[in-house]
Amino acid sequence: AQSVTQLDSHVSVSEGTPVLLRCNYSSSYSPSLFWYVQHPNKGLQLLLKYTSAATLVKGINGFEAEFKKSETSFHLTKPSAHMSDAAEYFCVVTGGNDMRFGAGTRLTVKP
Amino acid sequence: SAVISQKPSRDICQRGTSLTIQCQVDSQVTMMFWYRQQPGQSLTLIATANQGSEATYESGFVIDKFPISRPNLTFSTLTVSNMSPEDSSIYLCSATDLVYEQFFGPGTRLTVL
Repeated sequence: AQSVTQLDSHVSVSEGTPVLLRCNYSSSYSPSLFWYVQHPNKGLQLLLKYTSAATLVKGINGFEAEFKKSETSFHLTKPSAHMSDAAEYFCVVTGGNDMRFGAGTRLTVKP
Repeated sequence: SAVISQKPSRDICQRGTSLTIQCQVDSQVTMMFWYRQQPGQSLTLIATANQGSEATYESGFVIDKFPISRPNLTFSTLTVSNMSPEDSSIYLCSATDLVYEQFFGPGTRLTVL
């Protein structure tokens, strides 16, 4: 069985400051982990994925995430937030044939 | 990468009726899935669509309410039967490609009155 917990339902940052979206996972398998972004009224877009290669994963739009097995975490970071980053972010775990989504974190970026 | 299209993109339906949502993938995929995203919430897996056999449903979802077909590798349908306002949601189709990357369709926004 696998599950994912996003520790913050809402994160608010100022433009130009760092972003940290936290995710912890539980999996019976060696997990694959993903971060997806969903802009209002838009489809899901893959930001990055971890599939047992390098533990520091770089994604699109300046985002990256680090897989920490000892902490069962896969936190998403970005050094400097942009207004266009405002969206809903989902951490996802898969081990086997299905994906389990976290509850989502809404990122607000203030000017 | 796979591109997934869904029809319809949105619909408003009357209570007690049924709606069939179509999902088409533009390339060969291995698995196909249907998800529900209720307003302001995360995605919940409804079922895995199996080619040529009955879908595999997650706990809380049943075939009578959400019949699913997958007649070939790149096409699937989800029917929401005997709808009630509680079925108002976004329904998303997804598929994994040959390297197990998962892609999502744009979703079908369903409103039940």
